[in-house]
Amino acid sequence: DAGITQSPRHKVTETGTPVTLRCHQTENHRYMYWYRQDPGHGLRLIHYSYGVKDTDKGEVSDGYSVSRSKTEDFLLTLESATSSQTSVYFCAIRGTGGEQFFGPGTRLTVL
Amino acid sequence: GESVGLHLPTLSVQEGDNSIINCAYSNSASDYFIWYKQESGKGPQFIIDIRSNMDKRQGQRVTVLLNKTVKHLSLQIAATQPGDSAVYFCAENLGNQFYFGTGTSLTVIP
Repeated sequence: DAGITQSPRHKVTETGTPVTLRCHQTENHRYMYWYRQDPGHGLRLIHYSYGVKDTDKGEVSDGYSVSRSKTEDFLLTLESATSSQTSVYFCAIRGTGGEQFFGPGTRLTVL
Repeated sequence: GESVGLHLPTLSVQEGDNSIINCAYSNSASDYFIWYKQESGKGPQFIIDIRSNMDKRQGQRVTVLLNKTVKHLSLQIAATQPGDSAVYFCAENLGNQFYFGTGTSLTVIP
């Protein structure tokens, strides 16, 4: 499982509230990614990080921010959650051979 | 964004038969591809990968074929088992980013 954990695994929140999802890895990988997965769409990149404090936007970054203050943790924040952000969120790391390995996911429901 | 598509959204096969799942990619500069398996409620699981300097790569019961001329990727599963039932999708790598197809749902009929 490439040592990736995500927390929380499930969350229900209300529109307008802030939400932070955490991704934790144990294998010191440089690259970390946040994706969302919705029916009818492939995984879509929200943000990624290529090192501590180094991040870049992906395809669907509006409404999301990220932070990486330590190699092992990559946080995804929804500053003011909206119903369109109801989704399953996956964190991934990039392995030494270039592969991507995924965490177990966080199911977020915004009411 | 990049477009990575799958030819069929669903596929049903008899247990013991071989399965073939297809994927088309759009960018000829893509140099690395991965196939994933995703079971309900779980994260995508890495199955096999292939780099653009290869045409074929084999793993345990799985083979990936890459045809760069027509930008096509396929995953072959030999002797399909009930545990192979899942959604399969391909990913295309460009630089630091990956682009994913929507997936094919494979159902294995006992």
